[in-house]
Formats: sequence, structure tokens, C-alpha cells
Amino acid sequence: QSALTQPASVSGSPGQSITISCTGTSSDVGSYNLVSWYQQHPGKAPKLMIYEGSKRPSGVSNRFSGSKSGNTASLTISGLQAEDEADYYCCSYAGSSPYVFGTGTKVTVL
Amino acid sequence: QITLKESGPTLVKPTQTLTLTCTFSGFSLSTSGVGVGWIRQPPGKALEWLALIYWDDDKRYSPSLKSRLTITKDTSKNQVVLTMTNMDPVDTATYYCAHSISSSSPHFDYWGQGTLVTVSS
Repeated sequence: QSALTQPASVSGSPGQSITISCTGTSSDVGSYNLVSWYQQHPGKAPKLMIYEGSKRPSGVSNRFSGSKSGNTASLTISGLQAEDEADYYCCSYAGSSPYVFGTGTKVTVL
Repeated sequence: QITLKESGPTLVKPTQTLTLTCTFSGFSLSTSGVGVGWIRQPPGKALEWLALIYWDDDKRYSPSLKSRLTITKDTSKNQVVLTMTNMDPVDTATYYCAHSISSSSPHFDYWGQGTLVTVSS
């Protein structure tokens, strides 16, 4: 069970859209539409942003959206804002050992 | 509202056993589908899932750490306990516990604040 692969960093200017990829295998991301995404600001606990691939919890901005194609899931942040600067982690269901996290992506707002 | 809080030692020596307690409120671990998991994060590094216990006492472990981990629950006390044996400096991390609403929708919707555990002699 290897960690899912994410780009180390992604950046964008305020108002722009960015997309973070999360690449797994046919044993995790590719087999289940059960990817979740977490936002983590420095020194804080992670916060759930997306679950079941594309669903947003109550209170999460609709600027955040999730999708999947094959073994790769994606998180898109539209209308980028300064407060979106944080680390983002994907997590996929992986069967009997049910969770595998991604390597994490640092989002910088230029 | 749902809250979780981790407690345990901040410093352990190499080879010792770590015992962490997650005390929660706002939900019951006897409710069908509910689970509580443990996730850790070494300083400056990524999240790593460790273990999960479900309402029906089903237990799941990270394959890479399975031999060192034990997760238990005390439903009457609203607590989940994680033990990790043979601690090593590489196990230095912030340890989080988190709530999972359903085994059929595996994600962590509420997290504790985390507790930093340092492994050093």
C-alpha cells in the first residue's frame, strides 16, 4: 500500500483556477469513487473538503470541486483566494486496509 | 457537536510502547457504521493513516505498521486507545484521531487537534 502521488506544489494568482492531481492504482483510486480531500493550514488539523470523490461537506465553499478519471483523482479550486494557501492531501479507500493518503501538495497564492 | 481530543505522553524513549487516548463527544461508537481512526504526521511530512476501529469492533491497520499497533475502544467512556510498540525516533510525529461517519463512505469528517509525540532518549 504505497502513498498516492501528488505534485509537491501548485501555485496560482488570486481569481485563477488550479487543479491538484492525485494518482493511485487500480487497487485504490481506480477501483472506488471514494477519494476524499483535506486542507491543512500550518499548525492546524486537517479539514475535510471533498468526500466520495466530488461531494462537499456543509460549509465548504463551492469553489472546491473533485473529480476522477481512471487512477487519478483531482481537486480543483476556482476563484483562488489568499485563504486557500495551505497543504492539501488526497485520501483513497483501498479495500481491507481502508485508507491511503497522498504525498501532499502545497498550494501557494501568488 | 462532534469533538475529539488526543492525550498521552509528549516524550517517549526508543523501544518503549506509546499509548494514546482519543476522548470524544457528540457521537457514540455504538452507532452503526461509525468509526474512529488514528492518523499521524511527522514534522514537515505527509499524513499517514495508522488504524481504525468500527462500531462493531472491526479493526483495521496499516499493513506497514500492523505488527506494532493495537486499537481498542471503550464505548462507555467514549474513548479509543492506540498502542504502538517498539517506538523509534522516526515515529516522532503529531498523532491525530478522527471520526468516520460510515464504513461505506470512508472519510474523516471531524479531527482532533493532534498531539505531538517525540521519540528520543
